[in-house]
Amino acid sequence: NAGVTQTPKFRVLKTGQSMTLLCAQDMNHEYMYWYRQDPGMGLRLIHYSVGEGTTAKGEVPDGYNVSRLKKQNFLLGLESAAPSQTSVYFCASSYPGRDYYEQYFGPGTRLTVT
Amino acid sequence: AQKVTQAQTEISVVEKEDVTLDCVYETRDTTYYLFWYKQPPSGELVFLIRRNSFDEQNEISGRYSWNFQKSTSSFNFTITASQVVDSAVYFCALSGVTGGFKTIFGAGTRLFVKA
Repeated sequence: NAGVTQTPKFRVLKTGQSMTLLCAQDMNHEYMYWYRQDPGMGLRLIHYSVGEGTTAKGEVPDGYNVSRLKKQNFLLGLESAAPSQTSVYFCASSYPGRDYYEQYFGPGTRLTVT
Repeated sequence: AQKVTQAQTEISVVEKEDVTLDCVYETRDTTYYLFWYKQPPSGELVFLIRRNSFDEQNEISGRYSWNFQKSTSSFNFTITASQVVDSAVYFCALSGVTGGFKTIFGAGTRLFVKA
């Protein structure tokens, strides 16, 4: 099992450019999440999905869009990148159930917007 | 509203010292889950423990132990005989019914263990 993988690992964008981050999991998890991590702020939830074809807003959704066309994939899009979106982005997945709420994280994507 | 507070931003200890990382949470839910995650310098996030709100039993796993006290809304993490490999950022997190079980993370505590 590869677990949760993220593509790319690093990216530099110029203001106004667009890009898509890809998250893939091979654990048959229902729930998937996108977080951003900024210094001193922990992880903040951007968007999440409770199943194929569904998405919902998290704590900081502005400037991002997501899609979950396949159960194993969760895409995060930036339509017009801004310097404030410079961050490390983590994808995670989990299997819901009474005792299955821990999340499994990908290795992260370091994005710099200049 | 749900909230997780890790008041200690950074802690520095010498190897073999014991260290406790504090976590205080706020929630109105009666059913909720608490977590600790570790983020070593390599950057990945590693799940350490989950505790549900109905289970206040303390847990020990090797050099790690967790003290869950509902009366003080705390879920503290102790590392006994710390080692250099314990150097990492540790995150406490909360997941509850009100938030649709979305997980709220604390800001993290950076632990430095010096040889």
